[in-house]
Amino acid sequence: EIVLTQSPGTLSLSPGERATLSCRASQSVSSSYLAWYQQKPGQPPRLLIYGASSRATGIPDRFSGSGSGTDFTLTISRLEPEDFAVYYCQQYGSSPPRTFGQGTRLDIK
Amino acid sequence: QVQLQESGPGLVKPSETLSLTCTVSGGSVSSGSNYWSWIRQPPGKGLEWIGYIYYSGNTNTNPSLKSRVTISVDTSKNQFSLQLSSVTAADTAVYYCARDIIGSGWYGLYFDYWGRGTLVTVSS
Repeated sequence: EIVLTQSPGTLSLSPGERATLSCRASQSVSSSYLAWYQQKPGQPPRLLIYGASSRATGIPDRFSGSGSGTDFTLTISRLEPEDFAVYYCQQYGSSPPRTFGQGTRLDIK
Repeated sequence: QVQLQESGPGLVKPSETLSLTCTVSGGSVSSGSNYWSWIRQPPGKGLEWIGYIYYSGNTNTNPSLKSRVTISVDTSKNQFSLQLSSVTAADTAVYYCARDIIGSGWYGLYFDYWGRGTLVTVSS
């Protein structure tokens, strides 16, 4: 089973700033099969990024994903008030079961 | 727009079986392009994939739960269901159903539509 470790645990930033969230895998994630989700309190996760760098339908272009192998990054270029939430990475592909990271909480500073 | 809605008891006694149903609207569980998954989230914690079902009845479950999980599908009602047996307090969680994208090689990929989730508490 691939273990995903997200860092930092909590990130405190102000609206307008740039956010960089990390997801590191315990072994290589095949074909960049990595997704990112955003979750707000009381809501289900929302798909942001799949295939490490492809934005899901309706996701603003301030969200971008990058990385390959074992190191992946979610970048939010200019934080909007609605972006403060918890973010999860998830790996998929040829190494079942699919697993999620423990989450990064993005707080307003 | 695909919508999913979980339903079932919010309280289950220890050692009993948790049973939930997911009703899909705006899409079909008979779609050959999708699996239909269950995912759970203990209060204040992260996400755990439980398993999926294909419209044909083929399933795949997380090895950590495999012996206790049964997933079934009812294409006539456009629903799929989860049963988790011998529950303990550790099974207390919000349970989500989600649409699962199938990739080449028939691997499940990512989850593009989610239900709002239902909290199931295991307590006597």
